[in-house]
Amino acid sequence: AQKVTQAQTEISVVEKEDVTLDCVYETRDTTYYLFWYKQPPSGELVFLIRRNSFDEQNEISGRYSWNFQKSTSSFNFTITASQVVDSAVYFCALSENQAGTALIFGKGTTLSVSS
Amino acid sequence: DTGVSQDPRHKITKRGQNVTFRCDPISEHNRLYWYRQTLGQGPEFLTYFQNEAQLEKSRLLSDRFSAERPKGSFSTLEIQRTEQGDSAMYLCASSPRTSGLKQFFGPGTRLTVL
Repeated sequence: AQKVTQAQTEISVVEKEDVTLDCVYETRDTTYYLFWYKQPPSGELVFLIRRNSFDEQNEISGRYSWNFQKSTSSFNFTITASQVVDSAVYFCALSENQAGTALIFGKGTTLSVSS
Repeated sequence: DTGVSQDPRHKITKRGQNVTFRCDPISEHNRLYWYRQTLGQGPEFLTYFQNEAQLEKSRLLSDRFSAERPKGSFSTLEIQRTEQGDSAMYLCASSPRTSGLKQFFGPGTRLTVL
């Protein structure tokens, strides 16, 4: 069965701190896709990144970076020098189907960044 | 702005009433998805369309729920005989033919059943 676990329910940091959001997944498939979405207070889910199971390269995009490790079934997300605008709920998600049908989401991590 | 739109944004209804939500996907996106999100949880998959064909349904989609996408463009999600447990945010997403992996989400319809 497929499952996504985000063990951190809430994280609070002060601006400019670095913060890492953890994501652990379970799947029996060898081909799968991992995602991170951001849900700001406005409510609309915003796509951040997609990774396929064959690409273990870490990725950096500005202040965001992602660490994918198949050996530990983890896909962690780090925000460097956090800002107040980063405050949101962050979801990790898994898709086992190549056509990208159902996304299986974790319960999310609420990040609060204070000034 | 040509993102995914949903209507209405909020709906309050009494238990036992029927409600219908509409989703307009991004133009030319052939895949459309419905999810449900309750407070403090991640979105849960309900159903998926490719063009007008409903290809996948979750076990969460009881027989009180029905979704359609008659012309392969907009979609409707109807809930009959609403129950208090149906109170949630209903999210619609779409994805293009060339990249079914990246789903673009709408703002959602928040349903409150009294």
